[in-house]
Amino acid sequence: SQQGEEDPQALSIQEGENATMNCSYKTSINNLQWYRQNSGRGLVHLILIRSNEREKHSGRLRVTLDTSKKSSSLLITASRAADTASYFCATDAGGNQFYFGTGTSLTVIP
Amino acid sequence: GAGVSQTPSNKVTEKGKYVELRCDPISGHTALYWYRQSLGQGPEFLIYFQGTGAADDSGLPNDRFFAVRPEGSVSTLKIQRTERGDSAVYLCASSVGMYEQFFGPGTRLTVL
Repeated sequence: SQQGEEDPQALSIQEGENATMNCSYKTSINNLQWYRQNSGRGLVHLILIRSNEREKHSGRLRVTLDTSKKSSSLLITASRAADTASYFCATDAGGNQFYFGTGTSLTVIP
Repeated sequence: GAGVSQTPSNKVTEKGKYVELRCDPISGHTALYWYRQSLGQGPEFLIYFQGTGAADDSGLPNDRFFAVRPEGSVSTLKIQRTERGDSAVYLCASSVGMYEQFFGPGTRLTVL
């Protein structure tokens, strides 16, 4: 079974708006990563946040991590049509496996 | 430089047949992962290689699935006696350590 669960399952916003998606997980982690998957294509790594970090930025992306609540959020600011994709969180619990969530499908309307 | 490549991109087979899916990781990446992704789901871990050895194969669903990486580079995922439930996109990823994974485009397997 997958450890991560994203919500919402689907999100539709206007171009220029901000998009926020959340990820919850079940066990303690070493780090959490966010990936993007465009329709019919492979996954692309966006950002990694370690368990001892609370917030991280990369361009228009902002990730937060709350280990007490076992949750993370991904914020995309000033969204663009090209941001339309599915977004997945992946957790590393210290073993060799990465657990991916079920994903949030983001649609940015031009 | 070249990314992770997977062949074939699509594979259609009949129930009960044997299939092999190939992954060429990024040169120098010692870690290699196989995942399976069903429609509307996230990738599901199958197996992890560190070098030539299968460091963790706990995600393989049953003994019909097997993977090898004989020279620590190219890997082959082998599925025997395929079943309709094996239909999915099989993703390969490589990395240096347990950090950013670089994914291939996947092989879409359809079992009729």
